[in-house]
Amino acid sequence: GENVEQHPSTLSVQEGDSAVIKCTYSDSASNYFPWYKQELGKGPQLIIDIRSNVGEKKDQRIAVTLNKTAKHFSLHITETQPEDSAVYFCAAQKNRDDKIIFGKGTRLHILP
Amino acid sequence: EPEVTQTPSHQVTQMGQEVILRCVPISNHLYFYWYRQILGQKVEFLVSFYNNEISEKSEIFDDQFSVERPDGSNFTLKIRSTKLEDSAMYFCASGGTLSYEQYFGPGTRLTVT
Repeated sequence: GENVEQHPSTLSVQEGDSAVIKCTYSDSASNYFPWYKQELGKGPQLIIDIRSNVGEKKDQRIAVTLNKTAKHFSLHITETQPEDSAVYFCAAQKNRDDKIIFGKGTRLHILP
Repeated sequence: EPEVTQTPSHQVTQMGQEVILRCVPISNHLYFYWYRQILGQKVEFLVSFYNNEISEKSEIFDDQFSVERPDGSNFTLKIRSTKLEDSAMYFCASGGTLSYEQYFGPGTRLTVT
């Protein structure tokens, strides 16, 4: 069935360093790959997304890459700051109104 | 900025009781969803709703669950007879027609004792 695998489950990086989270998906019909940030006690918030016809997208310190052939996609956060500490979920979706399939999440700790 | 709201923020109920979780989606959105997140686990899809009917439901969404959009603004999830394993955070989400993005509410923490 549809599945999204996410690694690592926990990641600690020094403030100012980069963080990379990797995901793979199983359903080749997936067309849209959002990344969500979840802070304690809150709902998932979209931070960046990428469509299947694009290989890379950047928004300030955050970038996503997609390898559709390998069914891999990654989140890169550069110059990490304390407020980046949160749980990050990758996800995959087929069509506009479809359900989102989430990865298991990565707990990112930014160390001072 | 428009946002999805959910009430209550926390609901405690006894096993076997009925609960109704409420959501107010973003006003011009047409697609509505419920997801749940058991503590420490990933967010799981429950049901999607469009044009006053269920579009898709997961295996979790059995006969004990139902959804309704009673008045054009609220979107509710009812659990008829709660079980201990229904304890989780329940998120409502809504989506428009112009993008793939689903906007999530802050969630309702359901605790079944």
